[in-house]
Parts: sequence; structure tokens; C-alpha cells
Amino acid sequence: KAGVTQTPRYLIKTRGQQVTLSCSPISGHRSVSWYQQTPGQGLQFLFEYFSETQRNKGNFPGRFSGRQFSNSRSEMNVSTLELGDSALYLCASSFADVNTEAFFGQGTRLTVV
Amino acid sequence: AQSVTQPDIHITVSEGASLELRCNYSYGATPYLFWYVQSPGQGLQLLLKYFSGDTLVQGIKGFEAEFKRSQSSFNLRKPSVHWSDAAEYFCAASTGGGNKLTFGTGTQLKVEL
Repeated sequence: KAGVTQTPRYLIKTRGQQVTLSCSPISGHRSVSWYQQTPGQGLQFLFEYFSETQRNKGNFPGRFSGRQFSNSRSEMNVSTLELGDSALYLCASSFADVNTEAFFGQGTRLTVV
Repeated sequence: AQSVTQPDIHITVSEGASLELRCNYSYGATPYLFWYVQSPGQGLQLLLKYFSGDTLVQGIKGFEAEFKRSQSSFNLRKPSVHWSDAAEYFCAASTGGGNKLTFGTGTQLKVEL
């Protein structure tokens, strides 16, 4: 059974640009969550989607957005990139809409220059 | 506010020695608790979880954790550490309403040969 797949693995973008990251959850999983990991702030929750609906949202500016498609694949978008957006972005998938374990992908390393 | 605390930023142990990584949580009710491990540049791998029931939970790679409600703790243990256990370990918690995880700041484990 394939794990959580995130693409691309690495990205370099220029300040002011926008970026879209993709996440394919484990087959059968309907919940997808996104996290940002930086050395200074650690792992921070961005948002969670279940059955195409955003159910939870972390404390991030509106430049960070996401969506989930009918096949449970998810994308997150960051507009007007800032240097501080450089981070490892992790996607996690879970089977159910109540608390179950989350399985993480390898992450997308975003560098903003 | 809900939080997870990992008091030890770095821990060094000798190969073959026992290990205990500390985790404390601050929640109104007992949350669901998890331990994850992360190797450099990689995603997070779930070691074990506590949802309810038996307070001593077994995980993968020979790890176990004990939930102590009176101390609001969920410490990770391993009887004999292997060099391949060197990594960063994260304690995480979640409560009702989805899979939004709150992470501790992580403990970096170094194993001396």
C-alpha cells in the first residue's frame, strides 16, 4: 500500500511569487492535514480537510490556502511568498474524521530567495 | 491554551543504554497522544499512539510509552538503544474535532557508539 506522496520534494521560489504543493493521501484516507516545519517555530498546523471541506485551520495568514479534491488529493497554495515561508511542508493523511493516527509524507522543502 | 512540552532539547545516550524521552501535555481533558520520529530531511514516522485503555502502549522498533494522567505525561522509553535510533523525536496530541496535531518542540537524540 503506497504511503503519502508529496510533490515536488524540493522547490526554490522568488519572494513575491506563489507556489502550489500537492499531496496524495494513502488510498482510502479521507482526511488530509498540512503542517509547516521550521527551525524557529517547529511543527505548526496549517489546516485540515475532510471530504473536500476545511474542518480546522491554524493561525496562518490568508496567503496560505488549500483545497481537497473528490479523490482526497489535496493542494496547498502560498501566495506572495516571503522569505519566512521557507520551510518543510508536511502533509499527513488519516482514515477517519475522528481522532485516528496520521501518516506523514516526506515533505516538500520550499526555499524562498 | 493547549500545549505539549518536551523538556529535553538534546539527549545523548550510549548504544545499548536505556532511553526515556519526556513529554508533558496541558489540555482540559485527556487528549489522544502520539510519538513520532523524524530522520534528517524526512517526514514523520509514527512510533506509537495512546487513545484510551491500557496506559502502557507498545510501538514499533522496540519503543513503548506510558501514559500517566496524574502527571499529564506520556514518556517514551526503549530498553536498549541502537545507533540507528539517532533522530529527532516528537510528542504530539490531538483532541476532538479532527486530526489537528499539536507538537512538542522535539528532542534530538544522539547515540554514542
